[in-house]
Amino acid sequence: KAGVTQTPRYLIKTRGQQVTLSCSPISGHRSVSWYQQTPGQGLQFLFEYFSETQRNKGNFPGRFSGRQFSNSRSEMNVSTLELGDSALYLCASSLASATVDTQYFGPGTRLTVL
Amino acid sequence: AQTVTQSQPEMSVQEAETVTLSCTYDTSESDYYLFWYKQPPSRQMILVIRQEAYKQQNATENRFSVNFQKAAKSFSLKISDSQLGDAAMYFCAYRSAGSGSARQLTFGSGTQLTVLP
Repeated sequence: KAGVTQTPRYLIKTRGQQVTLSCSPISGHRSVSWYQQTPGQGLQFLFEYFSETQRNKGNFPGRFSGRQFSNSRSEMNVSTLELGDSALYLCASSLASATVDTQYFGPGTRLTVL
Repeated sequence: AQTVTQSQPEMSVQEAETVTLSCTYDTSESDYYLFWYKQPPSRQMILVIRQEAYKQQNATENRFSVNFQKAAKSFSLKISDSQLGDAAMYFCAYRSAGSGSARQLTFGSGTQLTVLP
């Protein structure tokens, strides 16, 4: 079974621009979560989507948004980019079952804001 | 809110030796899950092992095992017969359990493990 895929793998943007990152979960997985990883703040939860609905959201400004499609693929968007948005953005998918719900991660998208 | 603490930013081990990585967490919940993930230089986050809090038996996966002390809120990872491929950043993570619980992972700050040949 194919793993979680993320596109693009690398992005370079300038301040003020917006960016869209994409995540395709493992087949059959219905939940997609997004995390931001930076050297200073570590790994921080952005949001989780399940059945096209945002189920949970971390403490990030409204410039960060996302959505999920009917095939469980997810996108996250960052508008009005700031230098501090430079980070590795990780997507994770899970079955969202009632039992242990392990999240499996994609390879990440490295965003650099100049 | 839950917090996860990894007090060892860096550790090293000789190839074929055993190393233990520490993790403590703070929670008021009684039902939860704990995970260890490794992140090699490729940055791909890989699941190493998981533990359900309601299980008293410590989880094991081949050369990886945990020492789960629920009362002490401690969750250490033991790597036996260390291999060069074990070199990576290791993250301890917590997740609430139960229906309606938030499913996000709360991560520690990580321990960078170096394996010496």
